[in-house]
Amino acid sequence: DTAVSQTPKYLVTQMGNDKSIKCEQNLGHDTMYWYKQDSKKFLKIMFSYNNKELIINETVPNRFSPKSPDKAHLNLHINSLELGDSAVYFCASSPPESYMRRGYTFGSGTRLTVV
Amino acid sequence: AQTVTQSQPEMSVQEAETVTLSCTYDTSESDYYLFWYKQPPSRQMILVIRQEAYKQQNATENRFSVNFQKAAKSFSLKISDSQLGDAAMYFCAHYSGGGADGLTFGKGTHLIIQP
Repeated sequence: DTAVSQTPKYLVTQMGNDKSIKCEQNLGHDTMYWYKQDSKKFLKIMFSYNNKELIINETVPNRFSPKSPDKAHLNLHINSLELGDSAVYFCASSPPESYMRRGYTFGSGTRLTVV
Repeated sequence: AQTVTQSQPEMSVQEAETVTLSCTYDTSESDYYLFWYKQPPSRQMILVIRQEAYKQQNATENRFSVNFQKAAKSFSLKISDSQLGDAAMYFCAHYSGGGADGLTFGKGTHLIIQP
């Protein structure tokens, strides 16, 4: 009964391809996120999304787009993949503000390698 | 924007000894949360300990405790009786509300446990 699950765990693809990473949470959280962890292990938020609002980190290229069919799912679509997109991508979800002491819950990450 | 600084890229400690990981943060908010997350080689992000800014008492979770100095904006993690399983990347993180920042991470400290 994984709380936040993302698939696939590993993804190897060629430059120029389009790919998606799926994320699902069963915690009943309203807000989900995508983070990118680079080769130096730095974690940076890419998107914050709930059923009312999408907030995009201004540094994220528009080749990246989140898609949310419902509040339990937040998929990440990446168009025209580039070598620099190689990283580990984490999906996460968070409780309402009044329960934020519980912190964010993270998926196990997807290692994307662009060749 | 809030920032989190971890000044120790790597720390090493003998098994059974005590180690302290440093973290400072910058925020203009008075109400916020602070977290330490552990990332072992499995890549999973695991919440270790949390601290609510309005609480003066330092949080403890078994062998893990924090030294929270609100005026100094410092939030260090102490691991007592270090075990081999504690070897991991440790990330300090700050949360003061939703929006573009969300949960903001430091660059991490790689903790090595010497047997």
